[in-house]
Amino acid sequence: RKEVEQDPGPFNVPEGATVAFNCTYSNSASQSFFWYRQDCRKEPKLLMSVYSSGNEDGRFTAQLNRASQYISLLIRDSKLSDSATYLCVVTRSNYKLTFGKGTLLTVNP
Amino acid sequence: EAGVTQFPSHSVIEKGQTVTLRCDPISGHDNLYWYRRVMGKEIKFLLHFVKESKQDESGMPNNRFLAERTGGTYSTLKVQPAELEDSGVYFCASSRTDRDTEAFFGQGTRLTVV
Repeated sequence: RKEVEQDPGPFNVPEGATVAFNCTYSNSASQSFFWYRQDCRKEPKLLMSVYSSGNEDGRFTAQLNRASQYISLLIRDSKLSDSATYLCVVTRSNYKLTFGKGTLLTVNP
Repeated sequence: EAGVTQFPSHSVIEKGQTVTLRCDPISGHDNLYWYRRVMGKEIKFLLHFVKESKQDESGMPNNRFLAERTGGTYSTLKVQPAELEDSGVYFCASSRTDRDTEAFFGQGTRLTVV
């Protein structure tokens, strides 16, 4: 079983749609959780950290359920510029990032 | 502020040849990491430097891979001899000591072994 599993996708949604990404992790000792975004042929970039209390950054909302070992990302009112691969990332220590395979999102006009 | 830079951006080499990838981290970042993504798979950790010291090299695939960070500044990752399965995108990342998990990635080196 992979350490981080994500929805395989791809997701194709119209502009303005709400889209949700799901992620599960297998190691209960995982300490920190993130969503990264990767544009085609570019480097991964940190989108947001994920906290147990849930956190929001504009149109983006991230949730963490430690009991279920489940992480989610919700994008509201999606824009064309949101098209990218979304990577679920966890760490057990403070440096070694463990990535999911990513879910490709395409927002269509 | 300059970001993490990697060189070359692309490299095509023949099986059995040697390739050296270079990474210049963000100035002042003591932590430097190498990651790799092979086609169809997730990005995987290779190793971690703190300044010039290897903190963790548990992700290095085998002894054909050698990473160095002399002087604690830039790092090189040498593959010798390259095999077909080494093809992929090699990412370098760096972070400050006080915020270990906020890692900034370079654009990667796309390595193709033919």
